[in-house]
Amino acid sequence: DTEVTQTPKHLVMGMTNKKSLKCEQHMGHRAMYWYKQKAKKPPELMFVYSYEKLSINESVPSRFSPECPNSSLLNLHLHALQPEDSALYLCASSQVRVFSPLHFGNGTRLTVT
Amino acid sequence: QKEVEQDPGPLSVPEGAIVSLNCTYSNSAFQYFMWYRQYSRKGPELLMYTYSSGNKEDGRFTAQVDKSSKYISLFIRDSQPSDSATYLCAIPGAGGTSYGKLTFGQGTILTVHP
Repeated sequence: DTEVTQTPKHLVMGMTNKKSLKCEQHMGHRAMYWYKQKAKKPPELMFVYSYEKLSINESVPSRFSPECPNSSLLNLHLHALQPEDSALYLCASSQVRVFSPLHFGNGTRLTVT
Repeated sequence: QKEVEQDPGPLSVPEGAIVSLNCTYSNSAFQYFMWYRQYSRKGPELLMYTYSSGNKEDGRFTAQVDKSSKYISLFIRDSQPSDSATYLCAIPGAGGTSYGKLTFGQGTILTVHP
C-alpha cells in the first residue's frame, strides 16, 4: 500500500457528467501534484500545489479543475470531459525543496464514454 | 531532442540475468537522477535516486550516473520474475523548473521469465 491514497480506483463517466477525483496523504508533505498517464506512456504533469496554492498549471484545459482544501487533501474536479481524456490520473506528494522525491498514489483509472 | 531519452524496450530476460536499463539526458546542469518502478495498474514507486556522478547500491539494484556522457543506468542483479515492471528514469528540474516537475523517460518494459 502507498502512503498516498486515491479514490476512486476506477471511474466511468459520460461526457456530460461532473465527477471528482480525491487524493489524501499524511506524510506532512506540502507539495501535491496531479499527473496524467496514458497507456504505455510516462506520466505527464498537470498541476502542482505548494502550501495549498496552485504553483504550476501545465496549460491544462479548464474542464479539469484542481482544488487543494488543506495540506493533506487534493481534488481534481472533472466536467465535460472528452473520450481522449481517458487515462490513469496519478496524485503525488513531496516536500517543498529543490529536490524531494515524489511519492505517488496508485491512481484513478478514468474512462470517458 | 528530448531532455530525457530512454529505450522503451521491451526487454525480456531469463531469471537470474543481470539487467541494464539506461537513459540519456541533454542538460549538463541536472544534478539529481531518479529511477521509478511501475507495476501494471499501480502508481510509480521510487526505487533509487542519485546525486551528481557515481554509483549507489541498494540490494540487487545499482544506480550509476556518468555526467561526462550524460548517461544514467540502473542495474538489476539476479533478476527475479517479481522485477517484471516498467522502469522509468526521472530527472527533476528539467523544463526550467525546480521541484515538482519530474521529466520522465519513456519507460522500459522489463519481463523476467522463470
